[in-house]
Amino acid sequence: AQTVTQSQPEMSVQEAETVTLSCTYDTSENNYYLFWYKQPPSRQMILVIRQEAYKQQNATENRFSVNFQKAAKSFSLKISDSQLGDTAMYFCAFIPSNSGYALNFGKGTSLLVTP
Amino acid sequence: SQTIHQWPATLVQPVGSPLSLECTVEGTSNPNLYWYRQAAGRGLQLLFYSVGIGQISSEVPQNLSASRPQDRQFILSSKKLLLSDSGFYLCAWSVPPRRETQYFGPGTRLLVL
Repeated sequence: AQTVTQSQPEMSVQEAETVTLSCTYDTSENNYYLFWYKQPPSRQMILVIRQEAYKQQNATENRFSVNFQKAAKSFSLKISDSQLGDTAMYFCAFIPSNSGYALNFGKGTSLLVTP
Repeated sequence: SQTIHQWPATLVQPVGSPLSLECTVEGTSNPNLYWYRQAAGRGLQLLFYSVGIGQISSEVPQNLSASRPQDRQFILSSKKLLLSDSGFYLCAWSVPPRRETQYFGPGTRLLVL
């Protein structure tokens, strides 16, 4: 079974600063995908960034980037130039490439961006 | 572009009453469709998924059922709601071959009293 662990229940950052959210996972699979989703107060789950495990290059999407360390099974999200609209729950998720349809989610990190 | 709709947005139902939640996707064909539930303060748990019309797979034994009467329509149902069915229900879609990348709808808040 795959597990996803987010060890930071809550974090806070000031506007325009940089923050890093941590995620570790456990799997015996060699090929898989990792995601970060954002859930603002509206509760809609929004895809932030996607990483394919067989790609060594870290994914980036504008102010969002990841640090993917496959050997360490670590997948952290860095948010640069934080904005008030980044305030949300952030969920790390995992899915194997060749089996199953379920995204396995961590329990989330609540991020508060302050002025 | 693709959009996904869910309704109702909020629902308050008495225990023992039936349930029907609807999800529709626009702008794509032959999507995989998913129903997830999020309990308070937790991540999402997959309940059902469908790879085609009439094809439903259940991930977790539930008081719930799902149906896919049309290509882009996915329905979550119950004959008799339990208190434990309360939660936030999210529908999602993905398109093969990138089935792993799932996009979520706005969700339905269900409160069973």
